[in-house]
Amino acid sequence: GAVVSQHPSWVICKSGTSVKIECRSLDFQATTMFWYRQFPKQSLMLMATSNEGSKATYEQGVEKDKFLINHASLTLSTLTVTSAHPEDSSFYICSVGGHYNEQFFGPGTRLTVL
Amino acid sequence: GDSVTQMEGPVTLSEEAFLTINCTYTATGYPSLFWYVQYPGEGLQLLLKATKADDKGSNKGFEATYRKETTSFHLEKGSVQVSDSAVYFCALSTDGSSNTGKLIFGQGTTLQVKP
Repeated sequence: GAVVSQHPSWVICKSGTSVKIECRSLDFQATTMFWYRQFPKQSLMLMATSNEGSKATYEQGVEKDKFLINHASLTLSTLTVTSAHPEDSSFYICSVGGHYNEQFFGPGTRLTVL
Repeated sequence: GDSVTQMEGPVTLSEEAFLTINCTYTATGYPSLFWYVQYPGEGLQLLLKATKADDKGSNKGFEATYRKETTSFHLEKGSVQVSDSAVYFCALSTDGSSNTGKLIFGQGTTLQVKP
């Protein structure tokens, strides 16, 4: 399967600042990437579907102006959390769409907003 | 809407015990079904999958059979090891055979295996 990396693995920021998280597909050309959010001891919640070269599709209830997604190449998608607040603290996970609907996940980025 | 329901955890077993983690789903159409595993401190990994009714997915001693009549995809392993301790997620996707299908996850079941 595809190897997916995320950077950074852990970030701490002050309230009101913006944070960018990178998701890279190292060995697979990813036309579609997905961004999830995972709260402690809970399941993954899909935030948005990112398509290379076009706008992301956001799930209901996810603020597109707050969670900016850019998928400019077949190997890189970025998630920017703008004007972060403590309630945005979470584990953010990206995945790459493979064949037959399987997805390959990155290791996740833990965001802590002070 | 489409959904996945897993048995609540945590599940605590002794080494070499038999494991069953129940998973049922609700979906329109003909979903593909998956089990993902998340080891402590790591990302999710695909454990096994089944794309049509009566298919059996298997990997690393784990098995699950796609049962359309009971809308279930229960995960089983005959003899668990301490190294199987992890969180297990059941998931479905309803977008045919493309690579753009969204995954809908169950809430996850934590498995703890004691020596």
